[in-house]
Amino acid sequence: NAGVTQTPKFRILKIGQSMTLQCTQDMNHNYMYWYRQDPGMGLKLIYYSVGAGITDKGEVPNGYNVSRSTTEDFPLRLELAAPSQTSVYFCASSSGTGYDGYTFGSGTRLTVV
Amino acid sequence: DQQVKQNSPSLSVQEGRISILNCDYTNSMFDYFLWYKKYPAEGPTFLISISSIKDKNEDGRFTVFLNKSAKHLSLHIVPSQPGDSAVYFCAASGSGGAQKLVFGQGTRLTINP
Repeated sequence: NAGVTQTPKFRILKIGQSMTLQCTQDMNHNYMYWYRQDPGMGLKLIYYSVGAGITDKGEVPNGYNVSRSTTEDFPLRLELAAPSQTSVYFCASSSGTGYDGYTFGSGTRLTVV
Repeated sequence: DQQVKQNSPSLSVQEGRISILNCDYTNSMFDYFLWYKKYPAEGPTFLISISSIKDKNEDGRFTVFLNKSAKHLSLHIVPSQPGDSAVYFCAASGSGGAQKLVFGQGTRLTINP
């Protein structure tokens, strides 16, 4: 029972490079989310999806893009990486009940130099 | 504009005693409140939740209290164990829709033997 799987676990990017953070869940959850965690700042919502083909912006979407072609996958694309995007990124999924909470992946630590 | 705040960055408690973690919120439209626990290099894991129609919820050693008039919630852990040492995040969401969680900054709990 894998839950939410994120790849890669670590990545170093140069300024201006692009990359895709992968996220897959096997719980048949309709709701998926991308958060970033900066030191001492808690988690901030980047993008979310309520089902295949439907995505929407969260609190900090600038510099990112997402797609949701299947229920299982929710990749996050970084275009033209900037040092401000150095962070730990977490993908999560939810059944949408509110009180059950999210299931999070183990995170991707990204450094932009 | 921080809608969910954890004003104590850290807390140190002796093993066997009670740990009390606090959280304040500003948005009266929040319907669900959740606590997550996070170990280093792992994703947050769901601990316990409470809906706005309740003022207390228990699960084993963990109890969450909600005071809606004060817009305050707390997590009690009793007795505290060394394995409870982690960062604890409180989070809140409205009902319906994507149930996007808003997180506090986290409190690092250290249980001393």
